[in-house]
Amino acid sequence: SQTIHQWPATLVQPVGSPLSLECTVEGTSNPNLYWYRQAAGRGLQLLFYSVGIGQISSEVPQNLSASRPQDRQFILSSKKLLLSDSGFYLCAWSVHSEGNTEAFFGQGTRLTVV
Amino acid sequence: DAKTTQPNSMESNEEEPVHLPCNHSTISGTDYIHWYRQLPSQGPEYVIHGLTSNVNNRMASLAIAEDRKSSTLILHRATLRDAAVYYCILYSGNTPLVFGKGTRLSVIA
Repeated sequence: SQTIHQWPATLVQPVGSPLSLECTVEGTSNPNLYWYRQAAGRGLQLLFYSVGIGQISSEVPQNLSASRPQDRQFILSSKKLLLSDSGFYLCAWSVHSEGNTEAFFGQGTRLTVV
Repeated sequence: DAKTTQPNSMESNEEEPVHLPCNHSTISGTDYIHWYRQLPSQGPEYVIHGLTSNVNNRMASLAIAEDRKSSTLILHRATLRDAAVYYCILYSGNTPLVFGKGTRLSVIA
């Protein structure tokens, strides 16, 4: 069966520090991978979308970046965090080029930048 | 990108049916209609999806208009645990899964 792992669950980081959030998927190959962010009281904002290794689409310009070094690994990074980067970060995957299947979400990382 | 329109909020009494509407007048032939919900402090959870025919599963039913320009998510008996934000999304698999503002469902005991 397919599973998605996202860690850590919570993170408190000072302003200006780097960030690395990792997401891995098991039990499937060549998935679409997503990073979303949800600020407090707001909706889910798509940050990055990947259809394959090294193929990343950025939906929102900001100081975050994403990488996909392996087929089932998706990493969200920042060199210097801002206060506005605080939020709930979610990784998700779906079957590539198939609208007839559901997307699966990780448990999320709650990031607080202080 | 295809768009959907949902009411901002709805309210239901516990153990009564709930009909959550969604308009998607620009839907294309390859778009599936997906519904997800997000409980407080959790990530989204898949509810149901369909293409043209009505669909039923253990969580809900999805009624799709004949012209596919609208759909309705039906919770047959709302419980307090169904209080969540419900998202209606058009998804073909070839574009990202994008969430709108959804409908915030409140369930009253």
